[in-house]
This record gives sequence, structure tokens and C-alpha cells, in this order.
Amino acid sequence: DQQVKQNSPSLSVQEGRISILNCDYTNSMFDYFLWYKKYPAEGPTFLISISSIKDKNEDGRFTVFLNKSAKHLSLHIVPSQPGDSAVYFCAASPQGGSEKLVFGKGTKLTVNP
Amino acid sequence: EPEVTQTPSHQVTQMGQEVILRCVPISNHLYFYWYRQILGQKVEFLVSFYNNEISEKSEIFDDQFSVERPDGSNFTLKIRSTKLEDSAMYFCASSAEGARAFFGQGTRLTVV
Repeated sequence: DQQVKQNSPSLSVQEGRISILNCDYTNSMFDYFLWYKKYPAEGPTFLISISSIKDKNEDGRFTVFLNKSAKHLSLHIVPSQPGDSAVYFCAASPQGGSEKLVFGKGTKLTVNP
Repeated sequence: EPEVTQTPSHQVTQMGQEVILRCVPISNHLYFYWYRQILGQKVEFLVSFYNNEISEKSEIFDDQFSVERPDGSNFTLKIRSTKLEDSAMYFCASSAEGARAFFGQGTRLTVV
């Protein structure tokens, strides 16, 4: 039962271009969405989040868009840098983030110099 | 930035043995979690802990698993009798009220 789906296991982009990572969810009870970044042999680190009352949240080079009617969110990284190369996990929570997070399988982003 | 600390970083154990994975959450956090990631798979929720009791657990968290907050700083995950399929990275996380979770670096558990 995949409540959070990241359908692209990998993505490769050129340095300086935009990276777009996509995530779909099925559970209407989710109201808080997060993106985590994970390097090998490290724990996930928080990147950016969005509440269901918003449709966009921006933090520097990172922007998350939420389309509730489509149950879809996306993470835009612009411009992409080689240091952004990592696995990106989309996660969702039913209540403000203090409940369990349900993770997608992750998308491995490679930014080529 | 404050950190969640996990020990050991790598644990090798024989099948059937008990293991205890240790975590020191961020000091003012109230919610504590264990997640695991089997190699090549997604990060899976195991259990959440609040106010000195389990608030939610997944199907994975069966009777072989237990959690404890033995003092004001540590949060432990015990696997009573390890199986080969318990081999995974185990992540501890903590959060404040209504806030995002901070994750530790993980403990790699290898059951042989």
C-alpha cells in the first residue's frame, strides 16, 4: 500500500539547470508534506515542507508546490548544483508533522558538472 | 543545529540474539520515532513514542520489538530475537510539537 509515491527512481540534470522531483499521494488525511535529502550512510535531513493550506513554499533555491486536487507535490531546485546530488524523499503526515511520516521510495538526483 | 545521536553506527549480531539500538534525541523534543530502511527500499515507520508510551506502531513492530526511554535523555529500540530480515539501517528521529522530525545518522544492523 503505497500511500506516497515517487515514480522516478532517478533523475539526472546539468549543473545550473532546474531539477524537478515529483511525488504523488493517495491519503486525503495527509495535511503536511516534507522533502528530505539523504546522502549515503547518513540519516535523512530536512529540506523544506508545506502545509496543505498553502500551494507553494520557497526557501532559497528550493521551492515546493502542492496541488491538493491532484494529490501531487513537486520539489524544484534551481539552479541545481553538484552538491545537490543525493536521494530525495517525499514524506507526508496526517497532522502537522508530529505524527508518523510516510515516505516515498526516493528519487536519486545526480547533478552533472 | 541540534542533533539526534545514534549508537552504535554499525552492529553485527547473530540470528536469534538480542540487540539494543540507542538514540539520544534532541533535548527539548517530545515525540520520538524509529524508522528503518532495508537496503534499496524506502524508509519505513516502525513506532512513535510520546509521553512515555507508544502512540503508534506499524505492522513491522511486532512482539520482537520494544522501545524504552529509560531516563531523560535516551531512547532505545530492542529487538529480542533478531532475524536475517531485520538487517537494515535503523533511524531514530525526534520532533517538537507540530514540527518536522530530525533524524539521526542511523545504525546499520547486520544479522548473520
